[in-house]
Amino acid sequence: GAVVSQHPSWVICKSGTSVKIECRSLDFQATTMFWYRQFPKQSLMLMATSNEGSKATYEQGVEKDKFLINHASLTLSTLTVTSAHPEDSSFYICSASAQGAGAYNEQFFGPGTRLTVL
Amino acid sequence: QQQVKQSPQSLIVQKGGISIINCAYENTAFDYFPWYQQFPGKGPALLIAIRPDVSEKKEGRFTISFNKSAKQFSLHIMDSQPGDSATYFCAARIRNQKVTFGIGTKLQVIP
Repeated sequence: GAVVSQHPSWVICKSGTSVKIECRSLDFQATTMFWYRQFPKQSLMLMATSNEGSKATYEQGVEKDKFLINHASLTLSTLTVTSAHPEDSSFYICSASAQGAGAYNEQFFGPGTRLTVL
Repeated sequence: QQQVKQSPQSLIVQKGGISIINCAYENTAFDYFPWYQQFPGKGPALLIAIRPDVSEKKEGRFTISFNKSAKQFSLHIMDSQPGDSATYFCAARIRNQKVTFGIGTKLQVIP
């Protein structure tokens, strides 16, 4: 099956610093990538949807200036958490889907990145 | 507004038993219903999925039952094993649009 990787798998940073998380589709070209946030024992919350070469579409309540998303190629999307604060500590998960993979383009999820802001 | 309601939130089943997780949806525009399995510290993985023109789909020990008129669908795990212990999410999607997840069910299979 399709493989999506994330890097790093975990990161600890100081409050006020910025952190970049990478999401890569390893064996397919992802026209659309999604970024989710998951708090402990909760469901996944969609933060934004990005199409290659276009600006990301953010969900209501997600600060676009704080969570910068770049989808510069068909295999790479990045999420940068700017000026991170302890409340940004969470599990960030990306997923990717490929155009043309049938009418029900499946989303393939990455393994997630655990962010801890001190 | 919770568009996909999932129950129960936690479930304990003995090894060899049947695990049943139920979901209900409101938006009749949904046309694809996947189930995801998530282990602690990992991303969700697609387990099985169904389209509304099918009433049941079976893959190994996992079966989805779908009731379009009632707008309900469920996951049955037959012969549950300790290795099935994970959190399960039902979901729904409109073609090529974002996935809407249920709240999740934490399944524990005890020996």
